[in-house]
Amino acid sequence: SQELEQSPQSLIVQEGKNLTINCTSSKTLYGLYWYKQKYGEGLIFLMMLQKGGEEKSHEKITAKLDEKKQQSSLHITASQPSHAGIYLCGADRSINTNAGKSTFGDGTTLTVKP
Amino acid sequence: DVKVTQSSRYLVKRTGEKVFLECVQDMDHENMFWYRQDPGLGLRLIYFSYDVKMKEKGDIPEGYSVSREKKERFSLILESASTNQTSMYLCASSPGQVNGYTFGSGTRLTVV
Repeated sequence: SQELEQSPQSLIVQEGKNLTINCTSSKTLYGLYWYKQKYGEGLIFLMMLQKGGEEKSHEKITAKLDEKKQQSSLHITASQPSHAGIYLCGADRSINTNAGKSTFGDGTTLTVKP
Repeated sequence: DVKVTQSSRYLVKRTGEKVFLECVQDMDHENMFWYRQDPGLGLRLIYFSYDVKMKEKGDIPEGYSVSREKKERFSLILESASTNQTSMYLCASSPGQVNGYTFGSGTRLTVV
């Protein structure tokens, strides 16, 4: 069963609008990752969050991890067509896992209309 | 530019064939992974390896095997391909604990 729930499943926004994607777990997240995937291609690593309350930004994308380390949000400001794709969150299953196995959400498909 | 390279973008194989999917990374990463991605099921871990000649089963290892003879190469083997193995296969590597993955571009396998 999926350990990470992403919402919404899909999102259509007008270019220039802000948007937020959420990733929720019932368990404490030891490492939370955001990836972007273009259709039919591999995943591109965006950001990693580890500490409760942590926030990171890259260009117009900001990701936050809540204090309890069970929920993360990805916020895009002034969206552009280049932001379109599938956004996936991934999380480490255990801090003690030698191989650092991750589990993934189902992804959120973002469409940005020009 | 660091890379994970998957040998084929698209493959079409017949039922019962033995299929090899190759993955090579040039980052000297310890850990390598094979996932399959299916609509509605997300990414599911098939096998992973944290060292040369070491392998561990993921969540859905049935019908698959792997080989890691060299640190940079991790091969996924479908012993006898079946139609339910039609999927997007993604290889990834990482340097260790609590690090993001670097993914390959994926191989879309169709078994007919």
